[in-house]
Amino acid sequence: NAGVTQTPKFRVLKTGQSMTLLCAQDMNHEYMYWYRQDPGMGLRLIHYSVGEGTTAKGEVPDGYNVSRLKKQNFLLGLESAAPSQTSVYFCASSYTSGRPTYEQYFGPGTRLTVT
Amino acid sequence: GESVGLHLPTLSVQEGDNSIINCAYSNSASDYFIWYKQESGKGPQFIIDIRSNMDKRQGQRVTVLLNKTVKHLSLQIAATQPGDSAVYFCAEMPDKLIFGTGTRLQVFP
Repeated sequence: NAGVTQTPKFRVLKTGQSMTLLCAQDMNHEYMYWYRQDPGMGLRLIHYSVGEGTTAKGEVPDGYNVSRLKKQNFLLGLESAAPSQTSVYFCASSYTSGRPTYEQYFGPGTRLTVT
Repeated sequence: GESVGLHLPTLSVQEGDNSIINCAYSNSASDYFIWYKQESGKGPQFIIDIRSNMDKRQGQRVTVLLNKTVKHLSLQIAATQPGDSAVYFCAEMPDKLIFGTGTRLQVFP
């Protein structure tokens, strides 16, 4: 049982490049989330999903897109990277319980630098 | 991934002492709270949670206290060990989880 895994662990992009971050979970969780973590700030929710085929915007969705084609995978895309997207990105998952909530299991993170 | 960055408040404690980490939350409608631990280079890890109908909850070596009157949450770690060194942050839940910025706990021998 690997829990939540993320690939890649590190990435450097140039402004305007695109990339996709992959999150996978093997706990059969319904809910999945993408967060970014910046110095001096708490985790901020980018997008989330309450089940296969669904996505919803979080607190800071601009510049990102997501897809949940399979229950176990949640992809985060940057179509045209900007330096403001330099951050550490965390994926998380949780059981369904009526609202996105409760104990979230986090992946190890992806450190993205945009130059 | 790495823990939250450069200017976190820091609590330094000696190994074996008790640690108390505090958190002020903002939303009086929050009815659920979680404490997370984040070690360097890792994702956040759930420690303990508490609902608003409680004022205290105990786990293994950890206790969370909730004071709704002043919107304050604390995490007490008994007999702090070197492995407890990490960033600790709370999260509150009015309708979705809102995370605090965290406190760095340093344990010295």
